This record gives sequence, structure tokens and C-alpha cells, in this order.
Amino acid sequence: DTAVSQTPKYLVTQMGNDKSIKCEQNLGHDTMYWYKQDSKKFLKIMFSYNNKELIINETVPNRFSPKSPDKAHLNLHINSLELGDSAVYFCASSQPTGGGKETQYFGPGTRLLVL
Amino acid sequence: AQKITQTQPGMFVQEKEAVTLDCTYDTSDPSYGLFWYKQPSSGEMIFLIYQGSYDQQNATEGRYSLNFQKARKSANLVISASQLGDSAMYFCVGRSYSGGGADGLTFGKGTHLIIQP
Repeated sequence: DTAVSQTPKYLVTQMGNDKSIKCEQNLGHDTMYWYKQDSKKFLKIMFSYNNKELIINETVPNRFSPKSPDKAHLNLHINSLELGDSAVYFCASSQPTGGGKETQYFGPGTRLLVL
Repeated sequence: AQKITQTQPGMFVQEKEAVTLDCTYDTSDPSYGLFWYKQPSSGEMIFLIYQGSYDQQNATEGRYSLNFQKARKSANLVISASQLGDSAMYFCVGRSYSGGGADGLTFGKGTHLIIQP
């Protein structure tokens, strides 16, 4: 009964490859996010989707493409992987409350290593 | 947009002592929220506590309390009676509500807390 799950947990791949990370939430939330945590532990928002619609698209290379087949899933596809893409990628979800407390629940993270 | 500053990259604290982790924020939005998340060595992000900009009282959750000083734009986390299991990275996080959309969180750089026996 995991709330936010991600697969795979670890991903080791060669430069130039294309890979996908999957995220699913069973909390019934309308909003999902992708964050990137770099080697210095700094986390930064990449994308957010509200009910399958893209809301936030931060300055991220267009090699990264999120896809939301339904509101419970938000997948991240990365083309032509580069060394600098090595990081931990976190998926999160939340339920909009119109301005009040809106806690984001995080998945366990996917550790991507590009060789 | 928000900027979150955590000035303590690392802290060593004796078990059972109280800990204060500093956080200051900078925003021009009138409506915002401040969170603290814990990231243990296993890597998951765990929500600890939340403070809304219009909340009159400081938030508390068990051993965690948030010392919210709006005029100073600070939102320090206080952990009472620290335990070995409190050793982790702690992130102060902000969120603006003025945009009305699904805003992402803005993270500080984190404080690595180590509790010593």
C-alpha cells in the first residue's frame, strides 16, 4: 500500500541511451511533480502536472519529456542521456487545497547513474 | 518566487539535547507556506511540519515545532529531546500560493544533522 512509488529504484546506463522512469500514486491526488536532486543534495522542481495537464516546466533540457497517461501516473522519459543527468529523481504528489496546507508526498527516488 | 536559505551545512548535537535548525526565506508573495522535510541516509523524503503565512500560532508536531517569525522571515525548526534516529538531512522548503496553480516547492540547501550518543 505504498502511496507514491517509482520504478526503477536504480538505473545505470550509458551516455546517449534513452530511458524512462515511472511514477504512480494511489492517494487520489490531482497534482504530480518531478524533482531532481543533484550530487550536492540540492532539490529542484522540474515539472508539475495537474490532472494530466502540464503546469510547470522549469528550465529543463527538452531531452526530458514528462508524460501523464492518467492522473495517477507521471512518467519521465529522458533522451540521449548525458553524464550531467546523473542524479536522484523524485516523484511527488499533492492535492490542491486552494491556498492552505498542501503537503507533497514523495516517492522513494530513482538513482540514475550515467556512465 | 521564493528563496530559501539554510546557513548551517552541518551540525553535531548530543543525544537528548534540543536542536534548532535555521531557515530564512525571501518572498514578495503575501500567501505562502513553509515546510520542513527530513531525508535520512536511506534517501526518502519525509514531511515533518507545515506553517502557513497566515497561521497565528507556531506549528507543532510531536517533538517538532516551527519557530515562525514573520517579520524576520525566519522559520526555524526545533527538535526537542533529540534521538539518534534524528540524524539526517533536513530541508526547509517554501511554496507560494499566489499563482493559484500547482506550484512546485523551493528547497533550501539542507542541514546535515548528526546526533551523537
